[in-house]
Amino acid sequence: AQSVTQLGSHVSVSEGALVLLRCNYSSSVPPYLFWYVQYPNQGLQLLLKYTTGATLVKGINGFEAEFKKSETSFHLTKPSAHMSDAAEYFCAVSLKAAGNKLTFGGGTRVLVKP
Amino acid sequence: EAGVTQSPTHLIKTRGQQATLRCSPISGHTSVYWYQQALGLGLQFLLWYDEGEERNRGNFPPRFSGRQFPNYSSELNVNALELEDSALYLCASSPRGYSYEQYFGPGTRLTVT
Repeated sequence: AQSVTQLGSHVSVSEGALVLLRCNYSSSVPPYLFWYVQYPNQGLQLLLKYTTGATLVKGINGFEAEFKKSETSFHLTKPSAHMSDAAEYFCAVSLKAAGNKLTFGGGTRVLVKP
Repeated sequence: EAGVTQSPTHLIKTRGQQATLRCSPISGHTSVYWYQQALGLGLQFLLWYDEGEERNRGNFPPRFSGRQFPNYSSELNVNALELEDSALYLCASSPRGYSYEQYFGPGTRLTVT
């Protein structure tokens, strides 16, 4: 069975500073990987995904993530935080063998300080 | 293009009652997924429907059920409501096939008193 671990349930960054959110997964085969963002009282919005091919994936709002198979990681970064980045971020994996379901990490809440 | 829509936005029920939540997928999407986001339990997969059939089910009791209609919209039914069923229920849709990402609706907040 696959699982996802997000290190740090809360992260505080200053506006303009680097945002780094960590995600590690456990799976018997390389899964498809996703990052979603959830703003207060809203659903989930897809930031980016990795399926195959280039391991550095660029998403919306200046975010990018790198798939590292040897480290079973898919960390999310943004070079310069903006106040609008304050939200909760979820890493998720999907395996065909698991029937298309997304398995989510526990989420990381990002606070951006002015 | 309209996104995934869910109704109602909020639903308040009493323990033991039944709740019905509705979801309309993005036009052209045939798969609908249901997830529960409960406080302290995170996001958990409930059900996957595709082409009117239940394709996968999460680790939830049978009183959680649903169906998908010919127009690909879906209902989630929760019978014999318990206090711990209070959560945000999220619906997602995708085109048919494995490699497609899931697009989420705004959710229905179910409160059981």
